Amino acid sequence: DTGVSQDPRHKITKRGQNVTFRCDPISEHNRLYWYRQTLGQGPEFLTYFQNEAQLEKSRLLSDRFSAERPKGSFSTLEIQRTEQGDSAMYLCASSLAGQTEAFFGQGTRLTVV
Amino acid sequence: RKEVEQDPGPFNVPEGATVAFNCTYSNSASQSFFWYRQDCRKEPKLLMSVYSSGNEDGRFTAQLNRASQYISLLIRDSKLSDSATYLCVVPHNYGQNFVFGPGTRLSVLP
Repeated sequence: DTGVSQDPRHKITKRGQNVTFRCDPISEHNRLYWYRQTLGQGPEFLTYFQNEAQLEKSRLLSDRFSAERPKGSFSTLEIQRTEQGDSAMYLCASSLAGQTEAFFGQGTRLTVV
Repeated sequence: RKEVEQDPGPFNVPEGATVAFNCTYSNSASQSFFWYRQDCRKEPKLLMSVYSSGNEDGRFTAQLNRASQYISLLIRDSKLSDSATYLCVVPHNYGQNFVFGPGTRLSVLP
């Protein structure tokens, strides 16, 4: 399967713990996006990379959220000191530069208890 | 005004019906647009791209009105398998950010 891959698919964590999610984009795609989606809403943009450069991060929800893409391939999204309000589906997408469509991974569903 | 707005739905239609969804956007600089389909608890998947005035693919037709900043999606002869949430997507800053609408949920009933 050469699509976007996310790991883990599901994560249950206790409030206050840190969590890290991984995304492997389609190999030839240089752009990578992270989104958050809550029930009944469309995906909400969090951050974006072009190659290894994080070009947009102003929409990260708080300073507890951070993302990296160290070698311009896979990316990680970390949430520190998780809160119950962080419970959501975290989606990763990749695309080629320009206005071409983005392809999504299956998401990581986070539940904070 | 929100960046991307859609008909709130849900739409409940019988099999074989024709149904249309509307989407309005605020960023007049956007050049291309997308309709994504999202099944319950699944990731969004591209349904159609719209680069000019419109696009047709089988039972699905998308139309774009740049002057009114309006996109529509028409589904003809709807099938049970068309039941899903339809998301209108507008790229900003040449694809640096894809802005999603809240989605319109469609249920096709037997």
